[in-house]
Amino acid sequence: EADIYQTPRYLVIGTGKKITLECSQTMGHDKMYWYQQDPGMELHLIHYSYGVNSTEKGDLSSESTVSRIRTEHFPLTLESARPSHTSQYLCASSVGQRGTYEQYFGPGTRLTVT
Amino acid sequence: AQSVTQLDSQVPVFEEAPVELRCNYSSSVSVYLFWYVQYPNQGLQLLLKYLSGSTLVKGINGFEAEFNKSQTSFHLRKPSVHISDTAEYFCAVSVGGGFKTIFGAGTRLFVKA
Repeated sequence: EADIYQTPRYLVIGTGKKITLECSQTMGHDKMYWYQQDPGMELHLIHYSYGVNSTEKGDLSSESTVSRIRTEHFPLTLESARPSHTSQYLCASSVGQRGTYEQYFGPGTRLTVT
Repeated sequence: AQSVTQLDSQVPVFEEAPVELRCNYSSSVSVYLFWYVQYPNQGLQLLLKYLSGSTLVKGINGFEAEFNKSQTSFHLRKPSVHISDTAEYFCAVSVGGGFKTIFGAGTRLFVKA
């Protein structure tokens, strides 16, 4: 079954550390996304990708960076973690005609920065 | 700019009772509308979507939603809920011509025995 994977599922890390959140999908989707999710709030788009070697910043300002070297892989990196980065991070992918995209989500990574 | 408002942050309901989760959107152009469900410790999964055609859309797990263009609403309904429907539900809109999706803040449905 095609799926989308995120690792780690949970991460507790100290301030100033560099971290990479992994996201992989086996569906061959060209579009991929990273969202930040906080309780009771909208999902905020922080990065997206049209395809290999194509990435854009989303609507929410973020100190993270992404890369898309392979279709199936879309990692998110924080160079220096801060307590304000504590949140749930969701990765998603999609395929389809413009505007009709339904998104397939990974299980999320819950990040705590102490 | 597009926006999505979910009118209830929490909806408690007894098992086998009907439920409606309300969603309003704002957009000056044609939109595509979605409802997603998120169970604890999981990602979101698609319940149903409206792209065009019939304004009544049926989804998985017995849910349905009605697109009302004049009221810019896309309310989600289920005639009889189960304990297993306890989850967070997100309404979302994407605008034709683009592939970014705007999500509402979510409605937590809590089904009581």
